[in-house]
Amino acid sequence: SQQGEEDPQALSIQEGENATMNCSYKTSINNLQWYRQNSGRGLVHLILIRSNEREKHSGRLRVTLDTSKKSSSLLITASRAADTASYFCATAPADRGSTLGRLYFGRGTQLTVWP
Amino acid sequence: EAGVAQSPRYKIIEKRQSVAFWCNPISGHATLYWYQQILGQGPKLLIQFQNNGVVDDSQLPKDRFSAERLKGVDSTLKIQPAKLEDSAVYLCASSSPEGGTDTQYFGPGTRLTVL
Repeated sequence: SQQGEEDPQALSIQEGENATMNCSYKTSINNLQWYRQNSGRGLVHLILIRSNEREKHSGRLRVTLDTSKKSSSLLITASRAADTASYFCATAPADRGSTLGRLYFGRGTQLTVWP
Repeated sequence: EAGVAQSPRYKIIEKRQSVAFWCNPISGHATLYWYQQILGQGPKLLIQFQNNGVVDDSQLPKDRFSAERLKGVDSTLKIQPAKLEDSAVYLCASSSPEGGTDTQYFGPGTRLTVL
């Protein structure tokens, strides 16, 4: 399977704490992206990290990528109740057989942030 | 900039009936995707269009699912006849190669319940 796998499946924390979610994948990638999905809504793009990058920041988000281990992590600092959502990693494969632009999504991590 | 529009938001049908979903992508986005998201899972690509041509429909159950993108803008996804296992959220997304990334912008989805 080319899709990523998130870990843990569910995470429950208090407001103000940090939340860390991990993603592992199996094939070479061009980039890896993280998306958020609030209940009953569509996915929203959070951040993209390219295969030649190791770390990227955006506001309270920090993403790391280790291509040797085929893994990525998403850190949300100082979490808020509004961060409650499902978080998905999506990989853009680098192999020539894959369609340009195609993404493979994992099953997601359900994050609950308690006030 | 208007986002990706989808309709209807909800649909309830009985098995063996037909159903159609509509998507209007972000203006100027050449690539359009249809995903199926079953409860508790990540989105699974059904079909990818580049302008009005199909570039990937390897995961589309062609015996019952069909999709078209006439004039390279709006798209419709049809299921005929529906089965119980088709109950899911159907997401439409679009992207623009000019951005140089594979970032996809999602609509709110259509939640289909097959009874």
